[in-house]
Amino acid sequence: DAKTTQPNSMESNEEEPVHLPCNHSTISGTDYIHWYRQLPSQGPEYVIHGLTSNVNNRMASLAIAEDRKSSTLILHRATLRDAAVYYCILSDLLNTNAGKSTFGDGTTLTVKP
Amino acid sequence: NAGVTQTPKFRILKIGQSMTLQCTQDMNHNYMYWYRQDPGMGLKLIYYSVGAGITDKGEVPNGYNVSRSTTEDFPLRLELAAPSQTSVYFCASSSGLAGIFGPGTRLTVT
Repeated sequence: DAKTTQPNSMESNEEEPVHLPCNHSTISGTDYIHWYRQLPSQGPEYVIHGLTSNVNNRMASLAIAEDRKSSTLILHRATLRDAAVYYCILSDLLNTNAGKSTFGDGTTLTVKP
Repeated sequence: NAGVTQTPKFRILKIGQSMTLQCTQDMNHNYMYWYRQDPGMGLKLIYYSVGAGITDKGEVPNGYNVSRSTTEDFPLRLELAAPSQTSVYFCASSSGLAGIFGPGTRLTVT
């Protein structure tokens, strides 16, 4: 299974942009890149996903490198409520392990007022 | 539309007891998952299912069993509970692209 590597922790100031990196050098051509976040004492929540092109939604943007070996989750203006653990995961829906989604340790984002 | 519901929310088991954690989704998702999360750690995949009647092992399946007789339900069975199974258990469902997680079941085995 393709694995992801993320920094253990990052800090940001409130109302500044945050770029959360993820390396996935062994990604296959059919792996989707997903981002989830987990607020304290809650279950994970979906943030965004992409395959090849950059993606935007109301929560964040996802920038995917041209070779797909890395991606970056962008929070345009961090708020205190964005303090969470952010997980980057890969999921291949087209092979025999279709849908198998394993989480790494994620990046703990601290937002300072 | 309730999303993913899990019962119970909390449970204390004695060593050697058994129990079933219930998970139900009402979004007609094909994919369902069980994860466990130990204190201060990330999520570990226990079992997953890509559709009714199909299940497969994840990263940490030992001590657990699952079944998927319907699209909606994906119960997780713990046989002979051990202290190492003290954890928070999350069920999730997905269309394949955006997953929805339940609120979790906090299980303590003493």
